[in-house]
Amino acid sequence: DSGVTQTPKHLITATGQRVTLRCSPRSGDLSVYWYQQSLDQGLQFLIQYYNGEERAKGNILERFSAQQFPDLHSELNLSSLELGDSALYFCASSAPGLAGAAGELFFGEGSRLTVL
Amino acid sequence: GQQLNQSPQSMFIQEGEDVSMNCTSSSIFNTWLWYKQDPGEGPVLLIALYKAGELTSNGRLTAQFGITRKDSFLNISASIPSDVGIYFCAGQLEGGSEKLVFGKGTKLTVNP
Repeated sequence: DSGVTQTPKHLITATGQRVTLRCSPRSGDLSVYWYQQSLDQGLQFLIQYYNGEERAKGNILERFSAQQFPDLHSELNLSSLELGDSALYFCASSAPGLAGAAGELFFGEGSRLTVL
Repeated sequence: GQQLNQSPQSMFIQEGEDVSMNCTSSSIFNTWLWYKQDPGEGPVLLIALYKAGELTSNGRLTAQFGITRKDSFLNISASIPSDVGIYFCAGQLEGGSEKLVFGKGTKLTVNP
């Protein structure tokens, strides 16, 4: 158990719809990262938040948005869904500023989104 | 660019054999990490490397941070069935943000 919690674990929806994925980071972690993993693909970085502020952005579509709340949980919003958005969406968190811990991400179990 | 080329894409080995996989890039990385993903799970960190030339072991796993800072390898000795999974290399770019760039993974199958 990584300590990162993601809900829901599975989600099936139709094209054109909107969904929200939720992530609770490990206790004490300030950074939250969102990654997308499509079938047989590696993990594509979407976006990072640090203590409520957007820190880095990857190839995140304009139809997708995210935010991190004061209690540090994060939500990834996916709208106008297309078939190609079907994927595993992972949230990860990392500890703030630990020497030698740079890049050590702890991943949740992912949310599997299926768009029909 | 920021691509990590991970090879091989897949491996089929017999239990007890040693395994080697690697990642290369045209970019320089400050950090190299190796993760393992089991089916239906999120990636789990195996080894983290922070200095060029660093060689680190974790049980039967050994990984090295290449001298050029553009590559890394992971070796697994005496493989066992529970080594099955997808192994990902990941790197943190020099001068980049804290985000990790991931390779596409090496799918390992171990035959008993």
